Amino acid sequence: AQTVTQSQPEMSVQEAETVTLSCTYDTSESDYYLFWYKQPPSRQMILVIRQEAYKQQNATENRFSVNFQKAAKSFSLKISDSQLGDAAMYFCAYRSPGTASKLTFGTGTRLQVTL
Amino acid sequence: ETGVTQTPRHLVMGMTNKKSLKCEQHLGHNAMYWYKQSAKKPLELMFVYSLEERVENNSVPSRFSPECPNSSHLFLHLHTLQPEDSALYLCASSQDATNEKLFFGSGTQLSVL
Repeated sequence: AQTVTQSQPEMSVQEAETVTLSCTYDTSESDYYLFWYKQPPSRQMILVIRQEAYKQQNATENRFSVNFQKAAKSFSLKISDSQLGDAAMYFCAYRSPGTASKLTFGTGTRLQVTL
Repeated sequence: ETGVTQTPRHLVMGMTNKKSLKCEQHLGHNAMYWYKQSAKKPLELMFVYSLEERVENNSVPSRFSPECPNSSHLFLHLHTLQPEDSALYLCASSQDATNEKLFFGSGTQLSVL
């Protein structure tokens, strides 16, 4: 079974600075998807960014980018120019290709953004 | 504005009560999901429905009973719950069961006394 590990329960960043959230995973599959989800106080999980394992290029969405290291099974999220609205729980997730969309989540990292 | 709406937002119930959680999606999706989110634990997938048929049931106790009357609505019927069932219950939908992009609701925070 796949596992996803987020070793940083909490992180803090100053507004306008850059922060990196860590995620590692364990799998024997060669093809899969990786995701970062954001859960603000409203509780709604929002997809931030996704990466397909067969693509070597790191995914980027505006201020959010990932560092995908397939051999190391590492998938970190970098947030540039941090904003107060970035404060939330961030969850890393893994999905195997298959007939049912089944995400395996990490335990999350709580990000605080300070002035 | 979310395309997935969950009600109620909060629910407190006793162990002998029967209650239901409701989820409605306005996105035209064909797959819907129930997840359980407990403090300091990863989200746990409970049920998956595709075109109103249950395609996955992750060893969930029978005191949780899902119902999917159509592709837009999903219910989770609760009866004789235990205090350890207290958690945030999240509903999600996707275009179909093979699509990895999930859209989540804001959840129902359940407390079992």
